[in-house]
Amino acid sequence: EAGVTQFPSHSVIEKGQTVTLRCDPISGHDNLYWYRRVMGKEIKFLLHFVKESKQDESGMPNNRFLAERTGGTYSTLKVQPAELEDSGVYFCASSPGYNQPQHFGDGTRLSIL
Amino acid sequence: QQQVKQSPQSLIVQKGGISIINCAYENTAFDYFPWYQQFPGKGPALLIAIRPDVSEKKEGRFTISFNKSAKQFSLHIMDSQPGDSATYFCAASGIQGAQKLVFGQGTRLTINP
Repeated sequence: EAGVTQFPSHSVIEKGQTVTLRCDPISGHDNLYWYRRVMGKEIKFLLHFVKESKQDESGMPNNRFLAERTGGTYSTLKVQPAELEDSGVYFCASSPGYNQPQHFGDGTRLSIL
Repeated sequence: QQQVKQSPQSLIVQKGGISIINCAYENTAFDYFPWYQQFPGKGPALLIAIRPDVSEKKEGRFTISFNKSAKQFSLHIMDSQPGDSATYFCAASGIQGAQKLVFGQGTRLTINP
């Protein structure tokens, strides 16, 4: 079984540019989560999809972040325009159902210059 | 607001020794407590998890001890091996049915041969 896949593994962009991160969850997993770890701090929740619907987006930092999950399969997280404080590692996780363990991808390391 | 506090930040243990990492939480509504192991360049991988209806769970060399009254839980790694060297995260979830994980800040564990 393929795990959670994230693209790209590393992205370096300049402040003010736009970046789109992609996450392919484990096949059949309805629940998809985005998290972020800023340097040296804890991993923080961003949002949770159940199929194509946003179940919880309480962790989204501001309206420069837009997450989508078209058709309930893969998800994208767009940052527009990127700011310096957006640098960090963005993780995606998926789980098959309510109260099931979350499986993480290897993350996208985002560097804003 | 840090809802899950993890200590120590870093830990060095000799091969064959016992590694102990502690976490404390604030909200008694949490009902799921997983531990994740992360190697450099990889995403967090679920190691072991516990729910508050039991005080201890063991899987191989890894044991979670849970103290509901003290709102604390800990990870014990018996017979620690160099391959156990990684960053470990405790987490909690379940407030009002929410699935999002609230993470501790992580512990960098080094096992010396």
